[in-house]
Amino acid sequence: SQTIHQWPATLVQPVGSPLSLECTVEGTSNPNLYWYRQAAGRGLQLLFYSVGIGQISSEVPQNLSASRPQDRQFILSSKKLLLSDSGFYLCAWKWTSGSYEQYFGPGTRLTVT
Amino acid sequence: SQQGEEDPQALSIQEGENATMNCSYKTSINNLQWYRQNSGRGLVHLILIRSNEREKHSGRLRVTLDTSKKSSSLLITASRAADTASYFCAHMDTGRRALTFGSGTRLQVQP
Repeated sequence: SQTIHQWPATLVQPVGSPLSLECTVEGTSNPNLYWYRQAAGRGLQLLFYSVGIGQISSEVPQNLSASRPQDRQFILSSKKLLLSDSGFYLCAWKWTSGSYEQYFGPGTRLTVT
Repeated sequence: SQQGEEDPQALSIQEGENATMNCSYKTSINNLQWYRQNSGRGLVHLILIRSNEREKHSGRLRVTLDTSKKSSSLLITASRAADTASYFCAHMDTGRRALTFGSGTRLQVQP
């Protein structure tokens, strides 16, 4: 079976500090990977998605970046956090082909102070 | 990409009643999906309906899709307190690889 992990679960960071959130998937190979951000009480905003190692598509220009150094590892980073970066960050994966459903991790609650 | 709209934004019902949530979108889609999110948790996929389908059932869930009106609805029958959650529709635009999520409906089922 497949599982998706995200860490940390919660994070409090000061403005201007760097960020690194990690997502890993087990039990599948070459998945499509996604990073979303969810503001309180709102829907999901797609930030990045990746269809393979080193292949990153950015949906929203901002001070965040993503990398996929390994097949099942997806990292969200920032060099300098802004207050507006606070939110709930969700990683998701889907099979490369054959289905459209996405499977979500438990999320990381980021508070920038 | 534009997010879809969902209504109502919030819905409160009694256990045993039916809950209906609606979703609209603006593009040409390949499929439309519904997800559930418990407070502070990740999303869980509920059901997918393809653009050439009009209705689909899964247990107590019934989803309809009207591509001419660019709208979908999710019906939860005989609701339970455990159905309390936020529900999101998400559509995949033709030719894209990513989902666009709606703003969600917060459902509260009173025991």
